Amino acid sequence: NAGVTQTPKFQVLKTGQSMTLQCAQDMNHEYMSWYRQDPGMGLRLIHYSVGAGITDQGEVPNGYNVSRSTTEDFPLRLLSAAPSQTSVYFCASRPRSTSYQETQYFGPGTRLLVL
Amino acid sequence: TQLLEQSPQFLSIQEGENLTVYCNSSSVFSSLQWYRQEPGEGPVLLVTVVTGGEVKKLKRLTFQFGDARKDSSLHITAAQPGDTGLYLCAGYNAGNNRKLIWGLGTSLAVNP
Repeated sequence: NAGVTQTPKFQVLKTGQSMTLQCAQDMNHEYMSWYRQDPGMGLRLIHYSVGAGITDQGEVPNGYNVSRSTTEDFPLRLLSAAPSQTSVYFCASRPRSTSYQETQYFGPGTRLLVL
Repeated sequence: TQLLEQSPQFLSIQEGENLTVYCNSSSVFSSLQWYRQEPGEGPVLLVTVVTGGEVKKLKRLTFQFGDARKDSSLHITAAQPGDTGLYLCAGYNAGNNRKLIWGLGTSLAVNP
């Protein structure tokens, strides 16, 4: 299993440009999440999904869109990039269950710089 | 509002020293997890603690969940350079296992 994969690894954008960060998992996990990680701010949840066709907002959703058409893929779209969106973005997945012990599996991250 | 407070924020020690990292909250958690993140990578789960007072050991790492399930600690014995990384605690609040609550992390550097 490849686990959680993210592309690209690095990206430089100009203010106002749009782009899509790709995330895929091959573990048949129903729960998927997008986080951003900034110095001094920790991991902050952007959007999450509990299954195909179902998405919800996290703590910092503004400026980002998501969709979940398949179990495997959960792309994150930046509509009009801003310097404040410079960050490291992590995608994560886990099984759907009522347990409070489920492990979150993270991808390697996408490092985004917005000029 | 940061529901999980980690301390210290930064720690630099010499190889062979012992250390303890803390994760505290005023809220009760159904479980607490500890992750380690190495530079350029995503966090990786080390352990999950579920029962108040629970102690789990992972080689030289000892994890404890407080009796009231509001806090946890990570103790490393005889630290090695390979222990260097960012240690994150995260927890599930009772009644909501859809979102993990994250601490800000403790950045540990173990010098040879």
